[in-house]
Amino acid sequence: SQELEQSPQSLIVQEGKNLTINCTSSKTLYGLYWYKQKYGEGLIFLMMLQKGGEEKSHEKITAKLDEKKQQSSLHITASQPSHAGIYLCGADSSGNTGKLIFGQGTTLQVKP
Amino acid sequence: GAVVSQHPSWVICKSGTSVKIECRSLDFQATTMFWYRQFPKQSLMLMATSNEGSKATYEQGVEKDKFLINHASLTLSTLTVTSAHPEDSSFYICSVRRENTGELFFGEGSRLTVL
Repeated sequence: SQELEQSPQSLIVQEGKNLTINCTSSKTLYGLYWYKQKYGEGLIFLMMLQKGGEEKSHEKITAKLDEKKQQSSLHITASQPSHAGIYLCGADSSGNTGKLIFGQGTTLQVKP
Repeated sequence: GAVVSQHPSWVICKSGTSVKIECRSLDFQATTMFWYRQFPKQSLMLMATSNEGSKATYEQGVEKDKFLINHASLTLSTLTVTSAHPEDSSFYICSVRRENTGELFFGEGSRLTVL
């Protein structure tokens, strides 16, 4: 079965610094989703990537999917305290069903 | 604004009682919704797929008689935890898929505590 590995598991950065979170799959990704979650709350949709080599940006967050569609990265530029939270990557487990499996999450703290 | 709404946000119940959680799609109609469960400090695990007009499909290891799912309309799915026990205490989250884009939006989650 498909597994998603996120790295790092946790990250503490100084405000203003850039950071990258990685998500690696054991199989080809048909759809890769990035979400942000604050503990005990719902998931906030960030971005969805479907094509090899695809890159999307929203405000200071950029997500990429490699050409082989097995690895994705989430990059935050000039981090702010509001970026703190748990970042989750999710992959469509069976092609295009909408059923997601998730990585274990990356906890981000941003120090003012 | 919110695309998916869940109710209640949190609920505390006694062991043996049943609890119903609602998931509403606010922006678009959804023939398919998904229910996940998240235990503390763990990631989300898919429980079942809710299908409008037909039976829900459950993931391996999820008891369909314990977690009853009803997709009452194109904007509402309900999850009923029957005869709840303390081990059912968890964070339950639903997701809705926008068919034309494939984007998946999640609700705010419902925290269930069974005493």
